Amino acid sequence: DAGVTQSPTHLIKTRGQHVTLRCSPISGHKSVSWYQQVLGQGPQFIFQYYEKEERGRGNFPDRFSARQFPNYSSELNVNALLLGDSALYLCASSFGAYSYNSPLHFGNGTRLTVT
Amino acid sequence: KQEVTQIPAALSVPEGENLVLNCSFTDSAIYNLQWFRQDPGKGLTSLLLIQSSQREQTSGRLNASLDKSSGRSTLYIAASQPGDSATYLCAVRGGIGMEPSGSRLTFGEGTQLTVNP
Repeated sequence: DAGVTQSPTHLIKTRGQHVTLRCSPISGHKSVSWYQQVLGQGPQFIFQYYEKEERGRGNFPDRFSARQFPNYSSELNVNALLLGDSALYLCASSFGAYSYNSPLHFGNGTRLTVT
Repeated sequence: KQEVTQIPAALSVPEGENLVLNCSFTDSAIYNLQWFRQDPGKGLTSLLLIQSSQREQTSGRLNASLDKSSGRSTLYIAASQPGDSATYLCAVRGGIGMEPSGSRLTFGEGTQLTVNP
């Protein structure tokens, strides 16, 4: 079975532009979470979605938004890009919204560079 | 606010050595703790998941322990190999004030491990 897949793998944008990152969870997983990992730091939680509803949001500005589709795939959108948005964006999936016993499975991430 | 600290930040050892990576967290009201491995520029690979009711988990040469009351976990790697070189991240799920969904992981900054041949 395919793992969590993310696209694109790399992206270069200019300050002020908008970006859309995509994620397909593991087959059967209904929950998708997004994390931002700045170089040299641990990942920071951005959003969790389950059954197309937002179930959690980290401490990120409103420029960051996300949505989940009926097939459980997800998009992360970032508007008005800043240099500080340059990071590895990781998507993770798990079986359910309350699956405390289920580990999160991560994709390989999208490397975003803002110039 | 849950905070996770990992010590040391970097570690370099000769091949074959047994080693211990440390993780501490400030809020003991966690659901579980997960150890990950990250290779440069790559995503995270889950190594071990320990539930809050468990004391340890083992997978091959890896053993992770959890002392929830003291807010500590250790990852023990036996007979280290050059292929073990990577960054190891500790993450906890849950804590007071966290979402009921429990999906949010709070990560440490990782320990960068180098195993020299």
